[in-house]
Amino acid sequence: AQSVTQPDIHITVSEGASLELRCNYSYGATPYLFWYVQSPGQGLQLLLKYFSGDTLVQGIKGFEAEFKRSQSSFNLRKPSVHWSDAAEYFCAVVPANDYKLSFGAGTTVTVRA
Amino acid sequence: GAVVSQHPSRVICKSGTSVKIECRSLDFQATTMFWYRQFPKKSLMLMATSNEGSKATYEQGVEKDKFLINHASLTLSTLTVTSAHPEDSSFYICSARVPKLAAGFGGYTFGSGTRLTVV
Repeated sequence: AQSVTQPDIHITVSEGASLELRCNYSYGATPYLFWYVQSPGQGLQLLLKYFSGDTLVQGIKGFEAEFKRSQSSFNLRKPSVHWSDAAEYFCAVVPANDYKLSFGAGTTVTVRA
Repeated sequence: GAVVSQHPSRVICKSGTSVKIECRSLDFQATTMFWYRQFPKKSLMLMATSNEGSKATYEQGVEKDKFLINHASLTLSTLTVTSAHPEDSSFYICSARVPKLAAGFGGYTFGSGTRLTVV
């Protein structure tokens, strides 16, 4: 079955430390891939997206993600987190032959001082 | 660019009444919009897809008579929760497909969400 998985429900990281959030997908063909961030009670903000081309994607707020076809992964990274990065992060995919966006379960990021 | 405005941000209504949530694309024409429901600390669940000028397509398990969707223009889609009950309390988010860019697929943009509380 087609799915998108975020293995980590909750990650706590110290301010200034690096952050990596995992995302794996299971689709026949490489889908379009997205990372969104959601602050409490807010809508979703697009951090970055991958459609094709360079597998290392730069996004907003200092985030980047790397698409690895061999691992069916699209992990999100940030070299040095800020307290304002505390939020819920969602990986999302759209199959190449579809238009519906499917979300992973989300990862809650807590930043400690 | 590609901004979607969702109103209201919060609404409290009495059980049995209906509530309308609006989603407007401000600077582009949205032929396709999506409505999601999000439970606390949960992911987004797609409720339905609305296409301008045609009936909405509902996901399995979503009551179309309870969640009425209208997409009468290229910039406005509405979700009406009819005869609301406390179990309908949730966070509702709309989304729109961003028109194709010159390079192809444009992606999606999201409204800021509506917190519905039914008392």
